[in-house]
Amino acid sequence: GAGVSQSPSNKVTEKGKDVELRCDPISGHTALYWYRQRLGQGLEFLIYFQGNSAPDKSGLPSDRFSAERTGESVSTLTIQRTQQEDSAVYLCASSLVMQETQYFGPGTRLLVL
Amino acid sequence: AQSVTQPDIHITVSEGASLELRCNYSYGATPYLFWYVQSPGQGLQLLLKYFSGDTLVQGIKGFEAEFKRSQSSFNLRKPSVHWSDAAEYFCAVGQMDSSYKLIFGSGTRLLVRP
Repeated sequence: GAGVSQSPSNKVTEKGKDVELRCDPISGHTALYWYRQRLGQGLEFLIYFQGNSAPDKSGLPSDRFSAERTGESVSTLTIQRTQQEDSAVYLCASSLVMQETQYFGPGTRLLVL
Repeated sequence: AQSVTQPDIHITVSEGASLELRCNYSYGATPYLFWYVQSPGQGLQLLLKYFSGDTLVQGIKGFEAEFKRSQSSFNLRKPSVHWSDAAEYFCAVGQMDSSYKLIFGSGTRLLVRP
């Protein structure tokens, strides 16, 4: 079956611009996670969705970052007024329910010039 | 706070040699532990996981890991490495609160000599 998909695969933007990153989870998966991977580092948790609600937003680094999920399916991560330190790979993962295995998408590589 | 340490940034082994990648965690309760592999240009793939029960866990691609509570470790092993195993390996612990988010180590890059 189809895995987690993310778009775009690459995004280059100028400092100060807003960007939207999209995640399509595996169909039927109720839990959805966003992580960030900076160059040469491990993954950092950003936000968790259960259905369309986000009970854990503790990893969002600033109020420039926001995310939503609709139809218990697709999720969008928005970064406003991008900064160079936002350059990273943004990974989305989904699981059937929250305590089950997380399956990762290929990521969106964001470069802020 | 929960944390995961992978003390080796890079490891180089010869093809056919055995491999052990180290992982130490800090977690107050019985942890959920994972090893993921990330190949160039690809997403993370789950190699194996430990939730409970037998402390020696078998995974895909011939990998295994052993949970040692006394040492707070979950080291990954493979008896004979193949060139295709060259990749980045991440150990993670699942935080069993309201989200089960994963806390990752910084990764170990495996290079395989022909």
